[in-house]
Amino acid sequence: DAGITQSPRYKITETGRQVTLMCHQTWSHSYMFWYRQDLGHGLRLIYYSAAADITDKGEVPDGYVVSRSKTENFPLTLESATRSQTSVYFCASSGAGTSWYNEQFFGPGTRLTVL
Amino acid sequence: DQQVKQNSPSLSVQEGRISILNCDYTNSMFDYFLWYKKYPAEGPTFLISISSIKDKNEDGRFTVFLNKSAKHLSLHIVPSQPGDSAVYFCAGLIQGAQKLVFGQGTRLTINP
Repeated sequence: DAGITQSPRYKITETGRQVTLMCHQTWSHSYMFWYRQDLGHGLRLIYYSAAADITDKGEVPDGYVVSRSKTENFPLTLESATRSQTSVYFCASSGAGTSWYNEQFFGPGTRLTVL
Repeated sequence: DQQVKQNSPSLSVQEGRISILNCDYTNSMFDYFLWYKKYPAEGPTFLISISSIKDKNEDGRFTVFLNKSAKHLSLHIVPSQPGDSAVYFCAGLIQGAQKLVFGQGTRLTINP
């Protein structure tokens, strides 16, 4: 499928478990992002990546790990899930130079519940 | 520190009337402001943007106004339609940083 996809769409896990959320984009965009959406906070940036093998922290990186070995994939791992990580997670991508305002394109989201 | 704030969690407007969604910011370094629209169970989609050197940008039924002295922007939707019912996010962008800073969102409901 063309565009940006996330898997799984829904995930229930238990406290302490490791969870990996997948993100795949077909546009060969340089930049990729992970956000979490929580009531009252809007969308908060967890991590982002400017290119393969280049990642950096966002606003709320604690408890998360990312990697980017290929341009098209940007997985997000919760090493030891906590209840506070229950949220909806969105992946996004943008191509530097594609537009003057660097629009980001979002995936459909993954709803994660940590019991 | 909330750099972008949307102080109205929800707004209800009658179909055909004007919807006005507001956004305030504190970071003077933002070069652009973007509005995103989000339907339930979907990711946000880009709606309209404005450069910090402009005071207005219009695209069909959607107009964004920027008041730099007040650090305030607003999105006007005229006329409002039922399909406009969604959550709207305002975001600031610093050019080159590639990172968007989002507000909390405003849920807009258009009533028939």
